[in-house]
Amino acid sequence: KAGVTQTPRYLIKTRGQQVTLSCSPISGHRSVSWYQQTPGQGLQFLFEYFSETQRNKGNFPGRFSGRQFSNSRSEMNVSTLELGDSALYLCATTPTGGPGEKLFFGSGTQLSVL
Amino acid sequence: AQRVTQPEKLLSVFKGAPVELKCNYSYSGSPELFWYVQYSRQRLQLLLRHISRESIKGFTADLNKGETSFHLKKPFAQEEDSAMYYCAGETSGSRLTFGEGTQLTVNP
Repeated sequence: KAGVTQTPRYLIKTRGQQVTLSCSPISGHRSVSWYQQTPGQGLQFLFEYFSETQRNKGNFPGRFSGRQFSNSRSEMNVSTLELGDSALYLCATTPTGGPGEKLFFGSGTQLSVL
Repeated sequence: AQRVTQPEKLLSVFKGAPVELKCNYSYSGSPELFWYVQYSRQRLQLLLRHISRESIKGFTADLNKGETSFHLKKPFAQEEDSAMYYCAGETSGSRLTFGEGTQLTVNP
């Protein structure tokens, strides 16, 4: 089984731009979650999608958004980038996102905002 | 608010020595708790979860509700155990609250 695939691996953007990151889940996994990882704040939950619907949302501004397609692939978008958005963005998938399920993580997209 | 705390950022032990990585939580109710690990140049992966009460790679973790702790233990550390360890509590489904992480180094 192929693992969770995130593209691109690295991104460099400037302030004010927007960016779209992609996550392809393991076959059969319908829940896709996104996390932001920074040295200062650690791993923070952004949002979760299941069956093309946002089911859970963390405490991030509206500039952070996402969507999920019918094949369970997910994208997240960050608009009007700020320097503080520089981070590793991780995608994690599970079959249903139910209680106690093991999260399978991708390798992440490293975003640098200049 | 739910909170998971790992008081040690760095932990260094010698091969063969016991190791304990501390984790404390502040949650309403009884959360599902996990330990995730990230080895060098690898992706974050599940090490163990309280719900399944399994032992992986010799690691165990006991939930102590009185002390609100979920410490990770291994009686004899190996060099290949060197990694970053994260304790996490489940808020709902895939929404986890992670601790800050502990970098474990096992010296030969």
